[in-house]
Amino acid sequence: GQSLEQPSEVTAVEGAIVQINCTYQTSGFYGLSWYQQHDGGAPTFLSYNALDGLEETGRFSSFLSRSDSYGYLLLQELQMKDSASYFCAVSGGATNKLIFGTGTLLAVQP
Amino acid sequence: ETGVTQTPRHLVMGMTNKKSLKCEQHLGHNAMYWYKQSAKKPLELMFVYSLEERVENNSVPSRFSPECPNSSHLFLHLHTLQPEDSALYLCASSQGFGTGVKQPQHFGDGTRLSIL
Repeated sequence: GQSLEQPSEVTAVEGAIVQINCTYQTSGFYGLSWYQQHDGGAPTFLSYNALDGLEETGRFSSFLSRSDSYGYLLLQELQMKDSASYFCAVSGGATNKLIFGTGTLLAVQP
Repeated sequence: ETGVTQTPRHLVMGMTNKKSLKCEQHLGHNAMYWYKQSAKKPLELMFVYSLEERVENNSVPSRFSPECPNSSHLFLHLHTLQPEDSALYLCASSQGFGTGVKQPQHFGDGTRLSIL
């Protein structure tokens, strides 16, 4: 079977750094993606890792270790608008389908 | 504005009704997807279309019937639904498929479906 695990909730304060971990078990793996979803809105793409290492995009960075089946999303200089759900997702198979984790609800406090 | 538009935003229907969800993408993509998002559950892939051909059906019950008349439009026809089908239905599109290549999916805001 295929599964992804990530913490259900994380709380942090404005200006802080937070790391959201994701571990996965899949039969096929092409890459690990991260999506952000504000309440009631569309999930939006944040980052993608196909190879081991760190990818940086502004305040957000994502890391992948294929040997450990593990990745994380790092959010720096947290802002109130970063309060949202964050999903890791594995790309597997020839159809680019995404297998999503259950999501981490990030609450940023003043 | 994500470039993917879904209508209606909200839908309430009885179990015997027939309705359709519509998705339109303005991004020039050639792959489209339907996902179901239920409370406390991960997004579940339902169907994948590439160039109007269905390439994946993720064991979805036949009361959900997708249609892709062209690469910009995707429909989900609903009939005889059950209360457990109440959920947010999300449409997404991507440029295509690529193994190991970044092909982000762009999502619409979804249709909130409630079955009475």
